[in-house]
Amino acid sequence: NAGVTQTPKFRVLKTGQSMTLLCAQDMNHEYMYWYRQDPGMGLRLIHYSVGEGTTAKGEVPDGYNVSRLKKQNFLLGLESAAPSQTSVYFCASSYSTGTYEQYFGPGTRLTVT
Amino acid sequence: GDSVTQMEGPVTLSEEAFLTINCTYTATGYPSLFWYVQYPGEGLQLLLKATKADDKGSNKGFEATYRKETTSFHLEKGSVQVSDSAVYFCALDRPTSGTYKYIFGTGTRLKVLA
Repeated sequence: NAGVTQTPKFRVLKTGQSMTLLCAQDMNHEYMYWYRQDPGMGLRLIHYSVGEGTTAKGEVPDGYNVSRLKKQNFLLGLESAAPSQTSVYFCASSYSTGTYEQYFGPGTRLTVT
Repeated sequence: GDSVTQMEGPVTLSEEAFLTINCTYTATGYPSLFWYVQYPGEGLQLLLKATKADDKGSNKGFEATYRKETTSFHLEKGSVQVSDSAVYFCALDRPTSGTYKYIFGTGTRLKVLA
C-alpha cells in the first residue's frame, strides 16, 4: 500500500519554463490537495479537488493550474515558472472533510532560478 | 477570518523533559482540531485529533485537549525523546457550505537533545 506518491522528488527550473507535478493515491480518496510549504509560513493551499473531474482554488492559486482526470491522480502545472515559486510542494488526500485526516506525500522540492 | 496560531520555535529540550506546544484558533462554529508531525525530509502525518469540545486526542504519549472556552488545543508530552525531534503543526477543519476550510498553523520545530 503506497499511500500518496509524488513525482518528481526534486526539480530545478529556469524562469519561464513549465513543468507538471504528479500526485497519485491508492486509497480511493475523493478529496485531493496541493500545498506549498515555505519557511515561516506553514502550509498554504494552492488548489484542491472534491472528486474526479472537479477542481477549486485555494489560498494561493495564481501561477498554477491543476487537473483531476482520474480519481487517483491530481496534477499540478506551472506554465511559466518564477523564482517566487521556489518551494516544497506537498500533495495530500482525504476520504472527506470535517473529522477526517489528510494523508501527505513525501514532497517535491522545486527550485526556480 | 479563521486562523490557527502556534508558538514560535524552535523549542529545544533535554531528553525526558516535559513538552508543551501552544496552539490557539479562531473559527466560527465547531471545527475539528488536529496535530500533525513532520519528520525531516518527509511529508506531514497525523499525530492526533479531537472533533468536539472537551475531547482529548492522544497518540505515542502525546496529548491535546479541545478547549472551546479558551479556543486552544495545546500539545503536551510528559517525557520527550530524541526521536520526537520534528516540526509540529496544529490545524483545524471547519466544514462550510460549498467551500473548504482546512487551515494549518506555521509549525513549531522541536529539537530534543540527548
